Amino acid sequence: EPEVTQTPSHQVTQMGQEVILRCVPISNHLYFYWYRQILGQKVEFLVSFYNNEISEKSEIFDDQFSVERPDGSNFTLKIRSTKLEDSAMYFCASSEVGGVVQGGAFFGQGTRLTVV
Amino acid sequence: SQQGEEDPQALSIQEGENATMNCSYKTSINNLQWYRQNSGRGLVHLILIRSNEREKHSGRLRVTLDTSKKSSSLLITASRAADTASYFCATGNTGGFKTIFGAGTRLFVKA
Repeated sequence: EPEVTQTPSHQVTQMGQEVILRCVPISNHLYFYWYRQILGQKVEFLVSFYNNEISEKSEIFDDQFSVERPDGSNFTLKIRSTKLEDSAMYFCASSEVGGVVQGGAFFGQGTRLTVV
Repeated sequence: SQQGEEDPQALSIQEGENATMNCSYKTSINNLQWYRQNSGRGLVHLILIRSNEREKHSGRLRVTLDTSKKSSSLLITASRAADTASYFCATGNTGGFKTIFGAGTRLFVKA
């Protein structure tokens, strides 16, 4: 069964450092998303991406964040200068159609980011 | 905000019993989804129900949607220990790309 793959599964970084979280969405999907979940809290939407541009973003997704689809398979989330409060589980998701209208989004297993 | 809010926050039942979780939301939606998350793991999509549907089944899962009350329920019949997880409802709005998650119900099924 096709799946969304995220690497690494766990990353520890020092405050102020840049991190790049990587995702390989399902191959025939066209819409890509990043979500985050701070420990014990809700899953929060960060950004959606379609046709090589951001479709929608939340207020969390400020100038410290950026997304990129550098090639035909990877989708990355970059945090330029990490803060302690960026520590969370980051989930990548993809869907065949936008707005998860038809069949829902497929989520990866997440990358646990710990900022120390 | 169109956040889904689940209740109860936590539910503990015996294996074999049915588990019912409820979700309420605030604004008009295009669809509502339920996801499962095992502790520290990723989100697994369980079922999606569209705003023009009232009930949907998938295996031991039954989802209902009442748009007049802005609520949904997830019923897991004949629960198993492996059903122990957090369950989230998530709503999608027309024309939007994002899905808004609720805080989740933690289900514990005792063997």
